[in-house]
Amino acid sequence: ETGVTQTPRHLVMGMTNKKSLKCEQHLGHNAMYWYKQSAKKPLELMFVYSLEERVENNSVPSRFSPECPNSSHLFLHLHTLQPEDSALYLCASSQDSSSNEKLFFGSGTQLSVL
Amino acid sequence: AQSVAQPEDQVNVAEGNPLTVKCTYSVSGNPYLFWYVQYPNRGLQFLLKYITGDNLVKGSYGFEAEFNKSQTSFHLKKPSALVSDSALYFCAVRDNTNAGKSTFGDGTTLTVKP
Repeated sequence: ETGVTQTPRHLVMGMTNKKSLKCEQHLGHNAMYWYKQSAKKPLELMFVYSLEERVENNSVPSRFSPECPNSSHLFLHLHTLQPEDSALYLCASSQDSSSNEKLFFGSGTQLSVL
Repeated sequence: AQSVAQPEDQVNVAEGNPLTVKCTYSVSGNPYLFWYVQYPNRGLQFLLKYITGDNLVKGSYGFEAEFNKSQTSFHLKKPSALVSDSALYFCAVRDNTNAGKSTFGDGTTLTVKP
């Protein structure tokens, strides 16, 4: 295991639902990330948090709302999603957000929007 | 802007043969280069990275990669492939002027046949 835990593993939601994805890291890292992995598309960085402050918002629609209450937890709140938002959502962490640090990934949440 | 290219969607090798998964990159500053592997229904796992120093980097599971500055390449290699190496491989780059933001390639599916 990588030390990064994501729940739930699978989520099916309607376009009018509100749900949240949860990520927890047990590594003492100071940076956390949300990535989107769609079929036949490269990994897309969505958000970066460093020491609980958002340092990157990669032009993500407002229907995705991140929250980082402390350095160990990261949430992605979802509301009024579209079918094209169906994807694998990966959480990652690193010691800090500097360029030479490797990322530790969770197993992801497979999201299906109906 | 930074970018990564993995020119092969698929690489097939026989067990016991050497394998190469190709990666080329483009960055404005000094590159920090990474390889990750993704097994089915899992997140990405770190294999190795190049930051500075020796151009030949050794990583997990017997993999290695060679940094070639003149060709802007960072190909992943293994002298003798195993069936268990079959997975999706991602090359990623960060430059030292863009902290926190990794750019990933599209991924290469490696299949090792017995």
